[in-house]
Amino acid sequence: NAGVTQTPKFQVLKTGQSMTLQCAQDMNHNSMYWYRQDPGMGLRLIYYSASEGTTDKGEVPNGYNVSRLNKREFSLRLESAAPSQTSVYFCASSEGQSSIYEQYFGPGTRLTVT
Amino acid sequence: AQTVTQSQPEMSVQEAETVTLSCTYDTSESDYYLFWYKQPPSRQMILVIRQEAYKQQNATENRFSVNFQKAAKSFSLKISDSQLGDAAMYFCAYQNNNAGNMLTFGGGTRLMVKP
Repeated sequence: NAGVTQTPKFQVLKTGQSMTLQCAQDMNHNSMYWYRQDPGMGLRLIYYSASEGTTDKGEVPNGYNVSRLNKREFSLRLESAAPSQTSVYFCASSEGQSSIYEQYFGPGTRLTVT
Repeated sequence: AQTVTQSQPEMSVQEAETVTLSCTYDTSESDYYLFWYKQPPSRQMILVIRQEAYKQQNATENRFSVNFQKAAKSFSLKISDSQLGDAAMYFCAYQNNNAGNMLTFGGGTRLMVKP
């Protein structure tokens, strides 16, 4: 039982390049989330998926797209990377969307955009 | 919008001593949850403790306990018998059933433990 896994662990992009961050969970959770963590700050929600087939914007969605590929996988895409998107990206999942369910976090992807 | 504030960027404690980390939040909701997460250098976010706002009793988890003051919108974390492994960033977070179950985090407090 690996929990929440993310690939890659590290990535360096040039401005304007695109890439997709992958996230998968093996806990049969319905809800999944993407957060970003800028230096010295807490995490902020980018997008979430309450259940398979649905996605919604979070606090900071600009410059990102997401895909809930199936119940296990939730990807985050940067179409044209900008230096302001340099951050650590965390994926999380929970059994359901209610606050009674704990969110479990992946190990993060450190992205640098030059 | 909800906000979470941690006013102590850094704290230090002697091993085996007790330390308290502060957190205040702002919300107009009456039903919500509060959390403390630990983030060691590995970056992994680890849930330390959670508190349901409708519960008056303060949550405890072994050496970790909270002081939840709903009227004052204050939620502090007390770590007793501090250990070297407690050294990490600690984040206070807020969540309610609206806004997609989003966690709203404070800016964090770096805890150093001196041997």
